[in-house]
Amino acid sequence: DTGVSQDPRHKITKRGQNVTFRCDPISEHNRLYWYRQTLGQGPEFLTYFQNEAQLEKSRLLSDRFSAERPKGSFSTLEIQRTEQGDSAMYLCASSPLGGGTYEQYFGPGTRLTVT
Amino acid sequence: SQQGEEDPQALSIQEGENATMNCSYKTSINNLQWYRQNSGRGLVHLILIRSNEREKHSGRLRVTLDTSKKSSSLLITASRAADTASYFCAPRSNDYKLSFGAGTTVTVRA
Repeated sequence: DTGVSQDPRHKITKRGQNVTFRCDPISEHNRLYWYRQTLGQGPEFLTYFQNEAQLEKSRLLSDRFSAERPKGSFSTLEIQRTEQGDSAMYLCASSPLGGGTYEQYFGPGTRLTVT
Repeated sequence: SQQGEEDPQALSIQEGENATMNCSYKTSINNLQWYRQNSGRGLVHLILIRSNEREKHSGRLRVTLDTSKKSSSLLITASRAADTASYFCAPRSNDYKLSFGAGTTVTVRA
């Protein structure tokens, strides 16, 4: 299967700890997105990369959050000094650059629980 | 970007029945997409309809778009247990991020 993969699938951490998630997009996709989803809500946009350039960050992404996409391939999302409010599903998606379609392909998500 | 608002919040139907859900948005769009999310397969793209299209079909799915009313509907015909999921619309006025509403939760009863 060559879909979007995310690792880990589940993460339980104590408040104040740092966590890092990884996303591997579909190999030929230039664009990579991070979303966050809490229970009963739709996903909320966090940030977006085109190749290795981070082109937009949501106001939801506080200074404790940082995302990278070195070499325009996989991406990491790091949360420093986690808080209970960070508990959520973190979704990664990718899409091709341009073209006539703009659908995004989502990974299975990383569920973060902060205790 | 703008957020779609799905209606109703929840829908329960008998297997074999049709399910209809609606999406409203506020400003002009380039296209509107529908996604489905269930616990087994995550968030999956279902169908995209462009602003110059009024209706589109894909298998048992039918999507309509009325840009004058800024609304869209998704019809699932002959529902199956596997259609039990949350459905989200994503109206797009740019070409990158998606903005989802809270979704419509569909339960198909056997």
